[in-house]
Amino acid sequence: RKEVEQDPGPFNVPEGATVAFNCTYSNSASQSFFWYRQDCRKEPKLLMSVYSSGNEDGRFTAQLNRASQYISLLIRDSKLSDSATYLCVVRYNFNKFYFGSGTKLNVKP
Amino acid sequence: EADIYQTPRYLVIGTGKKITLECSQTMGHDKMYWYQQDPGMELHLIHYSYGVNSTEKGDLSSESTVSRIRTEHFPLTLESARPSHTSQYLCASRIRGDTGELFFGEGSRLTVL
Repeated sequence: RKEVEQDPGPFNVPEGATVAFNCTYSNSASQSFFWYRQDCRKEPKLLMSVYSSGNEDGRFTAQLNRASQYISLLIRDSKLSDSATYLCVVRYNFNKFYFGSGTKLNVKP
Repeated sequence: EADIYQTPRYLVIGTGKKITLECSQTMGHDKMYWYQQDPGMELHLIHYSYGVNSTEKGDLSSESTVSRIRTEHFPLTLESARPSHTSQYLCASRIRGDTGELFFGEGSRLTVL
């Protein structure tokens, strides 16, 4: 069983749309949670950490549900530049990070 | 921008060759990692290091080896490359402590013929 599961997509949305991604993780002892963004053939880069109380960074909102072992990312007012693959990442055992296979987003004009 | 560098960016070699993928960071980070990623697939941890002279194997079995003689340097070596080693190799580092951010290099794309 995979540590982190994501819908691979692709999600094809028009500019200005709101889009939500979800992911689930298998280890209840997971300590930290993140969303990374990976552009085609590039390295992953941190988009935002995910806190238990939920957190927002501009157009991006992340939520964590520990009871259901579920993490979400909401993108409002999508831009063409948001087109990328979004990776759900979970950390446990202090130093091990587990990556989902990513959800691909295509924002179209 | 993260100060973590990988060389070579692209490498095409024949079966049986020995290769070393270089990774260096100038941020003074204790923890360093090697991940392997195939197209459209998740990153798999193959090696990590807590600091100098500390290395551990990750969850994905790998025939590669690593060393950590200096804080800033974490090379990965394949003694005898095979076509099954064809993949992208991503090096990452992070600072000691609870902050989670991994900083990645641009990756080394290896093709073994």
